[in-house]
Amino acid sequence: DAGVIQSPRHEVTEMGQEVTLRCKPISGHDYLFWYRQTMMRGLELLIYFNNNVPIDDSGMPEDRFSAKMPNASFSTLKIQPSEPRDSAVYFCASSRGQLAGVPNEQFFGPGTRLTVL
Amino acid sequence: AQSVTQPDIHITVSEGASLELRCNYSYGATPYLFWYVQSPGQGLQLLLKYFSGDTLVQGIKGFEAEFKRSQSSFNLRKPSVHWSDAAEYFCAAPFSGGYNKLIFGAGTRLAVHP
Repeated sequence: DAGVIQSPRHEVTEMGQEVTLRCKPISGHDYLFWYRQTMMRGLELLIYFNNNVPIDDSGMPEDRFSAKMPNASFSTLKIQPSEPRDSAVYFCASSRGQLAGVPNEQFFGPGTRLTVL
Repeated sequence: AQSVTQPDIHITVSEGASLELRCNYSYGATPYLFWYVQSPGQGLQLLLKYFSGDTLVQGIKGFEAEFKRSQSSFNLRKPSVHWSDAAEYFCAAPFSGGYNKLIFGAGTRLAVHP
């Protein structure tokens, strides 16, 4: 099992540019999560999907952020236009849904370190 | 409001010393609780989890955690720390409104002195 795959691992861009982060979840997992990690705010859940449908996007900071999951094996997080305050590490995670009311482990990708100049 | 609190931001221990990282939760029902570890430049990896039953839970890499309902705590322990344990540790609990969503503590960064 290759685990959760994220690309790119590092992204440096200039303010105002569009940024697209990519994620391939573990096969068979029906939940996908996007997190952002910064020193100031720690680990924040941005959005999560179940069976490719967005369930909770309350953590998405503003309209500049959007996420899609066109199929079970691919998701994108887009920032347009990017700003320096978006600099962070963005993680994708996937899991199987809860079983008999018991939550399952989330498996995290290695993250994408985004720097917006 | 539901919360997970890790009171210690940084902890430094000597290699071979014992370790205890604190985690407190606020939760109405019996919680499900997780400890994750993040090594530098890596994603988070599950160390152990508590769902029910025995309150002392064994995890990977020689870690264990004890659930104490009376103290609303789920502290992580290791009897002898290795230099490779230097990392950031996160306690987490599912959001009461939807178990698939996790609430993470702020994390504790562990440094290990030789």
